[in-house]
Amino acid sequence: ETGVTQSPTHLIKTRGQQVTLRCSSQSGHNTVSWYQQALGQGPQFIFQYYREEENGRGNFPPRFSGLQFPNYSSELNVNALELDDSALYLCASSLDGKEETQYFGPGTRLLVL
Amino acid sequence: GEDVEQSLFLSVREGDSSVINCTYTDSSSTYLYWYKQEPGAGLQLLTYIFSNMDMKQDQRLTVLLNKKDKHLSLRIADTQTGDSAIYFCAENDTGFQKLVFGTGTRLLVSP
Repeated sequence: ETGVTQSPTHLIKTRGQQVTLRCSSQSGHNTVSWYQQALGQGPQFIFQYYREEENGRGNFPPRFSGLQFPNYSSELNVNALELDDSALYLCASSLDGKEETQYFGPGTRLLVL
Repeated sequence: GEDVEQSLFLSVREGDSSVINCTYTDSSSTYLYWYKQEPGAGLQLLTYIFSNMDMKQDQRLTVLLNKKDKHLSLRIADTQTGDSAIYFCAENDTGFQKLVFGTGTRLLVSP
């Protein structure tokens, strides 16, 4: 049990729609990262937030955006969904001072039709 | 750029030792990790090793790091059927705590 929860567990959307995925971390976990895991692949880094500011981004287009809130929750928003966005989306958090240890949530499986 | 490579599949018998191998490219990585993923689940952090260490042991798990060859291995002693899963090797980006993952090794443990 990592203390990181994600919602919803599964989601089906159609191409062109927008989606919001949510993550909740433990108290004191001010760093949150989001990853995309396509079927049969390892997770790919999307971006990272620290104390509500984005502090790093992977090779994902601007239609992938995020928010982090003071209550240790965060969101991943994806606009103009494409078929290739179908994947497992994972969030991971780490405790201040222990940023090298990232704890992952169970993920949200998104299917885009 | 950063790249992490793993073999795709490993099959062992229950009670045997399993060794999962990984190579990475970023010599500046501070930490290297092993994560476990069971079907339909998220990633479970198994263990990690600081780059100035050669070996780390944690119960049935032994991690070996050869920094010169950029090679990391995970040995699971007395492998059990419950160890069947996908194992991911990852390195961190030292600029910030971004993890770069391999494609995963599927471990199948047969009775």
